[in-house]
Amino acid sequence: AQSVTQLDSQVPVFEEAPVELRCNYSSSVSVYLFWYVQYPNQGLQLLLKYLSGSTLVESINGFEAEFNKSQTSFHLRKPSVHISDTAEYFCAVSDGGGADGLTFGKGTHLIIQP
Amino acid sequence: EAQVTQNPRYLITVTGKKLTVTCSQNMNHEYMSWYRQDPGLGLRQIYYSMNVEVTDKGDVPEGYKVSRKEKRNFPLILESPSPNQTSLYFCASSLLALSSYNSPLHFGNGTRLTVT
Repeated sequence: AQSVTQLDSQVPVFEEAPVELRCNYSSSVSVYLFWYVQYPNQGLQLLLKYLSGSTLVESINGFEAEFNKSQTSFHLRKPSVHISDTAEYFCAVSDGGGADGLTFGKGTHLIIQP
Repeated sequence: EAQVTQNPRYLITVTGKKLTVTCSQNMNHEYMSWYRQDPGLGLRQIYYSMNVEVTDKGDVPEGYKVSRKEKRNFPLILESPSPNQTSLYFCASSLLALSSYNSPLHFGNGTRLTVT
């Protein structure tokens, strides 16, 4: 069985400051890792994903996440946040068994303060 | 525009009154799924469908029904809603069932259901 732990339910950050949203997973097999973002009153959108290859993956809006197998982590980072980054962020893990095997974390609410 | 459309966006109903939340996708996706989102619990899968006439239970299927008669539609049915089904519901679809690869989940904008 796989599981995802997002250690912080809320993360308040000042605008233009760096941020890290933490995600740890557990799985008995190889995993594929995802970050989804949910803006207010919207559905979730895929932000970035790790399938294989380079352990550092990037999104088009400046976020990056690093897959760390030894620490079973997939933390999301951004060096300088903007007000528009205010959203709920969900980490998800799949063991490759298909979308039915996708497990979501409980989410982290990123709050950007001016 | 490629999208997943849910209706209605908001619904208030009373205990026991049957309701249906519709979900439609225009991307010819094989895979569709329903989730509910509750504070502190994240997203939990209710039902999913690998293709037409193929449905299966997710983590929290009790009290819900689904059908997949056509590829584009995947309605969620609550035969006898109860207050503990008050939640935010999301429909999602994926080109293939293997969302691990280049077919990520596409989500609708959600349906906020209140059962009194």
